[in-house]
Amino acid sequence: SQQGEEDPQALSIQEGENATMNCSYKTSINNLQWYRQNSGRGLVHLILIRSNEREKHSGRLRVTLDTSKKSSSLLITASRAADTASYFCATEALTGGGNKLTFGTGTQLKVEL
Amino acid sequence: ETGVTQTPRHLVMGMTNKKSLKCEQHLGHNAMYWYKQSAKKPLELMFVYSLEERVENNSVPSRFSPECPNSSHLFLHLHTLQPEDSALYLCASSQDWAKGQPQHFGDGTRLSIL
Repeated sequence: SQQGEEDPQALSIQEGENATMNCSYKTSINNLQWYRQNSGRGLVHLILIRSNEREKHSGRLRVTLDTSKKSSSLLITASRAADTASYFCATEALTGGGNKLTFGTGTQLKVEL
Repeated sequence: ETGVTQTPRHLVMGMTNKKSLKCEQHLGHNAMYWYKQSAKKPLELMFVYSLEERVENNSVPSRFSPECPNSSHLFLHLHTLQPEDSALYLCASSQDWAKGQPQHFGDGTRLSIL
């Protein structure tokens, strides 16, 4: 079954506005990670939140995790044109070995001037 | 610079060709990964190497053959590919194979099969 389904698939906002992306998953996790991908580039790790954490901040990023609802959200505050990218959540299962991530299909964020 | 370099960035090949993708990481990591990224589909994990030993092989067709000669280098050898193999192939690394670590990605090789 697919883990990490992001919502919405696409989001267009004005510079300065906040952007919120959601991720839902299906099985128990050890941690959940968010990545950004600019067009034509690889993925860049943004933030990791463990299953026993509920909220985490990094600069303009705020991530929440609700394990009872099997969902996470990524909030980007005061967005900039440079935030235009695709954003992916990835889950690491609680069981099984190793640093194995399962990715969603991503949210395409466009920040317009 | 992410510390993970992939070459070539673009590759066009016929179905009968043999080619190789190369990945090199300069981060001192012990685990390396190959992913396939196709349009409208989630990133698919193909192979994982930890300390040069393959630890994951996600039912990948034998026309894809990985090689990890040392912890800094990872190759993906390609032969007799199909049109549906056209995709972005991403290499990643992490400190080791233990849980709870971020992965560092290269910029990928865009592969087109004619």
